[in-house]
Amino acid sequence: EDQVTQSPEALRLQEGESSSLNCSYTVSGLRGLFWYRQDPGKGPEFLFTLYSAGEEKEKERLKATLTKKESFLHITAPKPEDSATYLCAVQAPRGGYNKLIFGAGTRLAVHP
Amino acid sequence: GAVVSQHPSRVICKSGTSVKIECRSLDFQATTMFWYRQFPKKSLMLMATSNEGSKATYEQGVEKDKFLINHASLTLSTLTVTSAHPEDSSFYICSARDPRGTIYFGEGSWLTVV
Repeated sequence: EDQVTQSPEALRLQEGESSSLNCSYTVSGLRGLFWYRQDPGKGPEFLFTLYSAGEEKEKERLKATLTKKESFLHITAPKPEDSATYLCAVQAPRGGYNKLIFGAGTRLAVHP
Repeated sequence: GAVVSQHPSRVICKSGTSVKIECRSLDFQATTMFWYRQFPKKSLMLMATSNEGSKATYEQGVEKDKFLINHASLTLSTLTVTSAHPEDSSFYICSARDPRGTIYFGEGSWLTVV
């Protein structure tokens, strides 16, 4: 059965305190792993797509990596504006379509 | 970057009435759009996959007759909640896949049924 597990569920950091969020997945036929940021009451904002093990992508203070079983979202020297829920999703073919299967998210709070 | 627009962002309707939510891809043509529902502090739950020119594919447990989805053009999909009841109150979000395969989300629509 397809499964996407994110940890930790919630994370509190001090401004400047680097950390990593984890996304473990079990899915057959992976067609990409997506990271999104979601602010309260808003739709998810696209961050990265990773397609193959060993791939890395960076954007400002964020860096995403991918292995065959998990992905990490590294946050370097976070700022309060990085506070949000970070969602991981895997895309796989199901029933003739490519579907996104989401994890439950990690709620990140960065305090000054 | 690519933009997906949803309208309305908030809507209140009376129990028993129907309400329509629109999802538009502004920067690209989207052959596939998705509709999600999100409960407070929960992740996104896929309701259905909408393909231009064909019937939507609904996830198990989602009532087709209650949540009508139409994807009449390559830039527009609509979700109509029919005979709405208070338990249908939720945050509904659409997404669209661009030609490169990236999936972008709309801002979401808050539905309150009173």
